[in-house]
Amino acid sequence: NAGVTQTPKFQVLKTGQSMTLQCAQDMNHEYMSWYRQDPGMGLRLIHYSVGAGITDQGEVPNGYNVSRSTTEDFPLRLLSAAPSQTSVYFCASSYSGLGTEAFFGQGTRLTVV
Amino acid sequence: GDSVTQMEGPVTLSEEAFLTINCTYTATGYPSLFWYVQYPGEGLQLLLKATKADDKGSNKGFEATYRKETTSFHLEKGSVQVSDSAVYFCALKAGANSKLTFGKGITLSVRP
Repeated sequence: NAGVTQTPKFQVLKTGQSMTLQCAQDMNHEYMSWYRQDPGMGLRLIHYSVGAGITDQGEVPNGYNVSRSTTEDFPLRLLSAAPSQTSVYFCASSYSGLGTEAFFGQGTRLTVV
Repeated sequence: GDSVTQMEGPVTLSEEAFLTINCTYTATGYPSLFWYVQYPGEGLQLLLKATKADDKGSNKGFEATYRKETTSFHLEKGSVQVSDSAVYFCALKAGANSKLTFGKGITLSVRP
């Protein structure tokens, strides 16, 4: 029962470096999303996708790119890391539908120095 | 736009105490409402949900009732345990392909 798998679990980047956070799900969910979690801010939506080939911006998209070439994978790219992007990142997936449950990965703790 | 407001935290209780965590929401239409829990070092997981007015969601001794008249979805548990120590998030979903909108979360610590 893999569910939603995120890699890596921890990462330290230098300012200006780029990297990709990986997210994969094996539940054939249409809907996938990326959140960041910061103290006192709750979870804020970065980008989301309602199906392969379709992506859209959330509340805090600046500095991040996504793509959805398959149903299973939804990578998040940091183009040029900044200290303000230090956060814990969560990927989630769900079926489409009003009352459907979202399944979350274990998170990636990213530190930008 | 849609929003969720949770009571300020953190909350510290003794084991077997009664728990209430307040949650109110603003949304157009008839959203679904959720409580998610995050144990230390883990991702979020669904605790309970309600999809229409007056529905009661329940799981692991926790309950919450969807009150449309007061736009609320307060979480309650009659007797908390140390293992309930976690961060609790109230959330809503306003449409089939809508995002989940989260409250800021509240940290619950239960001492023996």
